[in-house]
Amino acid sequence: EADIYQTPRYLVIGTGKKITLECSQTMGHDKMYWYQQDPGMELHLIHYSYGVNSTEKGDLSSESTVSRIRTEHFPLTLESARPSHTSQYLCASSEFRMVGEKLFFGSGTQLSVL
Amino acid sequence: SQQGEEDPQALSIQEGENATMNCSYKTSINNLQWYRQNSGRGLVHLILIRSNEREKHSGRLRVTLDTSKKSSSLLITASRAADTASYFCATEIIQGAQKLVFGQGTRLTINP
Repeated sequence: EADIYQTPRYLVIGTGKKITLECSQTMGHDKMYWYQQDPGMELHLIHYSYGVNSTEKGDLSSESTVSRIRTEHFPLTLESARPSHTSQYLCASSEFRMVGEKLFFGSGTQLSVL
Repeated sequence: SQQGEEDPQALSIQEGENATMNCSYKTSINNLQWYRQNSGRGLVHLILIRSNEREKHSGRLRVTLDTSKKSSSLLITASRAADTASYFCATEIIQGAQKLVFGQGTRLTINP
């Protein structure tokens, strides 16, 4: 079982609220990722990080922001949530390799914005 | 356009039967990986096959890769009810920012 944790597991909030989704890993992995997944659909990469103080935007445009102040922690923040942000958010980490990185995923946060 | 497309989108079989899922992709890859996702959970890595490999086994899993056809298949033999999940292929594409691109998944249901 992967040592990567996401909180909260479920979140229901109103439009306009600021939220932070937490993700922590205890494996010492350098690379961390945030994916967005709608039910029955593929994963879309929204943010990733190579290590401390590194953040990059992914393939899917997102109004969220991330930070990487500590190796083990990669929180995602939405400044003003909207119903279009309703989705599952998956955090993952991997040990950096030139090729063949395997991702370890958290259990996800299911976000519903009313 | 999608890098990875999986076929079928959904598959329902009886326990004990074999399940085969296919994945096609568009651009050159370093490797291809298969992941499993139980309903409402994160993904779990199953197996990785490198671009210079043609077949790989892990327990009841058999993965093939045909780079000339840009396709891969995942075979689960002697299926069990616990194999019920969604299965995703992910391609590690050859470009500057190394990352995985996931397909849309195959939803597998094993009927007891």
